[in-house]
Amino acid sequence: GESVGLHLPTLSVQEGDNSIINCAYSNSASDYFIWYKQESGKGPQFIIDIRSNMDKRQGQRVTVLLNKTVKHLSLQIAATQPGDSAVYFCAENRPIHGSSNTGKLIFGQGTTLQVKP
Amino acid sequence: DAGVIQSPRHEVTEMGQEVTLRCKPISGHDYLFWYRQTMMRGLELLIYFNNNVPIDDSGMPEDRFSAKMPNASFSTLKIQPSEPRDSAVYFCASSRGTGRQETQYFGPGTRLLVL
Repeated sequence: GESVGLHLPTLSVQEGDNSIINCAYSNSASDYFIWYKQESGKGPQFIIDIRSNMDKRQGQRVTVLLNKTVKHLSLQIAATQPGDSAVYFCAENRPIHGSSNTGKLIFGQGTTLQVKP
Repeated sequence: DAGVIQSPRHEVTEMGQEVTLRCKPISGHDYLFWYRQTMMRGLELLIYFNNNVPIDDSGMPEDRFSAKMPNASFSTLKIQPSEPRDSAVYFCASSRGTGRQETQYFGPGTRLLVL
């Protein structure tokens, strides 16, 4: 099937620097993406989402960019902190049963962010 | 709110034994999801319920897996008999409403090891 979340397995950054985590997808019809953060021993936690009618969305210290032309999205974390160390997943919220209003999450493999003090 | 609650947090069992994982969704959420996470396959959706009714179980690996939701505050995922390849972390998640924009909230997971 169509895949999502093809990106580097590990990213190491210095505390205080900005982090950029990338994600690629293959289905040009994909229209809704979500970034999750998973800390060790915990379940994934919602960070931010973006729909295909937008190319940028900002949250607190995070920005998601969506480039539909090349089927790529990225999560930018400003002033990375030790508490940002985790595995980050991009996920597609894919419609199911032909309904545009009900979806299931298709997760990528994840990128481990390591923050060096 | 306590969030999604799962039990047990860790389970070690021997091949052939029955395993039952439990989940209590966030109160008021009418969607419940079961996921499995492994190094090889990542996070996979196994099954989900809407208002206690199973809607899509196409992700359930085989007949050894079954899930129930007898009421709005409780769900179980059962593996019988268990096999070593079932070793994984199993997550339960819940969401409110019917829209795709509704956020799924994940529990802490059950780490299962089948020897």
